[in-house]
Amino acid sequence: DAKTTQPTSMDCAEGRAANLPCNHSTISGNEYVYWYRQIHSQGPQYIIHGLKNNETNEMASLIITEDRKSSTLILPHATLRDTAVYYCIVPYNTDKLIFGTGTRLQVFP
Amino acid sequence: ETGVTQTPRHLVMGMTNKKSLKCEQHLGHNAMYWYKQSAKKPLELMFVYSLEERVENNSVPSRFSPECPNSSHLFLHLHTLQPEDSALYLCASSRSRGEGALPYEQYFGPGTRLTVT
Repeated sequence: DAKTTQPTSMDCAEGRAANLPCNHSTISGNEYVYWYRQIHSQGPQYIIHGLKNNETNEMASLIITEDRKSSTLILPHATLRDTAVYYCIVPYNTDKLIFGTGTRLQVFP
Repeated sequence: ETGVTQTPRHLVMGMTNKKSLKCEQHLGHNAMYWYKQSAKKPLELMFVYSLEERVENNSVPSRFSPECPNSSHLFLHLHTLQPEDSALYLCASSRSRGEGALPYEQYFGPGTRLTVT
């Protein structure tokens, strides 16, 4: 039980920003939000994580709302290679990463 | 990212065979994981090793037997599998919580696609 809610699928045009939402309304104050993605038939890939401040790295940006009940992963200029399933994960103080069904992002030309 | 390697990449085995999956990490981590991903299902955690000790066995049948001889290597020994065990088996590694680092930044291998006939 991942206890996060994501849309099943999204489309994005190549070169445009992809904004992937995630709801985690039961998150508590010291729990981080992690994002992974899985390109077809490959292992998942860590993207980014955050606590309360917005975060940016070479792959993506993570925007967390002030109440921390939701977040958005932003791929600023999506490419065809960004087509993947994106997982938003809150470990909820367990030692495990629980992968849900994620959002299937399709980037089209 | 080639820090975690898995062999073989593909494996076809009969139900009476014994085979082993191998995982090796070159990242200096000391926690390693086995996951199973069946078709159209989320990843399922199977086993966790931290500092070479098994710390998690997620109700996995005994026909799957993990082994972690050192912090860089992890094996999954398979025997008398069933067709429903056909899946992608993924290995991952991370720093251990014991070092105070967040354990949730895991690095995955490419997986072994297993088919049981």
